[in-house]
Amino acid sequence: EPEVTQTPSHQVTQMGQEVILRCVPISNHLYFYWYRQILGQKVEFLVSFYNNEISEKSEIFDDQFSVERPDGSNFTLKIRSTKLEDSAMYFCASSRQAPSGELFFGEGSRLTVL
Amino acid sequence: KNEVEQSPQNLTAQEGEFITINCSYSVGISALHWLQQHPGGGIVSLFMLSSGKKKHGRLIATINIQEKHSSLHITASHPRDSAVYICAVYAGNMLTFGGGTRLMVKP
Repeated sequence: EPEVTQTPSHQVTQMGQEVILRCVPISNHLYFYWYRQILGQKVEFLVSFYNNEISEKSEIFDDQFSVERPDGSNFTLKIRSTKLEDSAMYFCASSRQAPSGELFFGEGSRLTVL
Repeated sequence: KNEVEQSPQNLTAQEGEFITINCSYSVGISALHWLQQHPGGGIVSLFMLSSGKKKHGRLIATINIQEKHSSLHITASHPRDSAVYICAVYAGNMLTFGGGTRLMVKP
């Protein structure tokens, strides 16, 4: 069964360092998303991406964040200068349609900022 | 701003019991998702609803658009159903998530 894959599963970084989280969405999906979940809190929407551009972003997704689809398969989230409060689980998801399409989530990348 | 409220926050049931989890939201939506988050953190989509009712195995999801309310029912609950169940609504091109309902089913 096709699945969304994320790497790394866990990354530890120092405050101020750049981090890139990678996702490989399901191959025939057209809509891509990043969400985050701070430990013990709700899942929060970060950004949606369609047709090679951001279609929606939340207030959390400030200038420190960027997304890219550098080739036909990868979808990356970059945090330029990490802060302690960026520590969270980051989930990538993809769907064939939006909003009526089923969402497929990756297993998540846990980011710990020290 | 869209608010998504789930109840109860925590639920403990005995194996075999019928379970209901509720979700209310504050603005008009185009779709509602029910998700299951496993103890390891992974998230799986259970249902996507825009109207009516859907059934998959022992799971049933309903939505009342006028009342801005959805329910997830689990019939004949089993310990493997233990997880966090999350309601998320799609409005304004983004998903807003509820806080989740932590379900534990005891044998």
